[in-house]
Amino acid sequence: QKEVEQNSGPLSVPEGAIASLNCTYSDRVSQSFFWYRQYSGKSPELIMSIYSNGDKEDGRFTAQLNKASQYVSLLIRDSQPSDSATYLCAVNNGQGRRALTFGSGTRLQVQP
Amino acid sequence: EPEVTQTPSHQVTQMGQEVILRCVPISNHLYFYWYRQILGQKVEFLVSFYNNEISEKSEIFDDQFSVERPDGSNFTLKIRSTKLEDSAMYFCAVMAQKNTEAFFGQGTRLTVV
Repeated sequence: QKEVEQNSGPLSVPEGAIASLNCTYSDRVSQSFFWYRQYSGKSPELIMSIYSNGDKEDGRFTAQLNKASQYVSLLIRDSQPSDSATYLCAVNNGQGRRALTFGSGTRLQVQP
Repeated sequence: EPEVTQTPSHQVTQMGQEVILRCVPISNHLYFYWYRQILGQKVEFLVSFYNNEISEKSEIFDDQFSVERPDGSNFTLKIRSTKLEDSAMYFCAVMAQKNTEAFFGQGTRLTVV
């Protein structure tokens, strides 16, 4: 059973702080890694993708991937109350046509 | 503009009835997917569709479910005889190329009563 694990939270950070979200995955052949943001009652919204080891930065967001440790993380700098949402880690194993395996998500609360 | 739109946004149906959920991709995509999310639970893969046929399906996607893309545009998910446990948000997703980014529609909330 291919699993993607996340701490369910809630992770509470003050406004302006750095939020750090973590994800581990069990399938070693995983090739593509994604972070989605999901507001309550809404659909997942893609915020970051990462395909190779290291860091990838996009605005206030940085994704980090370590395939040897089967670990992917998301850093949100200068957190804003509008960042309060559930963050979903998703993994694609690159084989067959199955798209994504999702973690259960980490709920982030940014306190004003 | 979203990559994909879904209709209806909310559907209420009686147990045992058939429902059809629709998805319309905005631009040219090759890969189509249905996912569902039961309230409070994780997003679960149902089925993938490529080149006008099912590529892969999960154990959730049993004989009660079917998909088709009859006119090359709309991508539909049919549930033949709904059960209470089919109540969930159903998301259509599209992907331009294999193993690239997947974009989700706004979802259809299905309530079976």
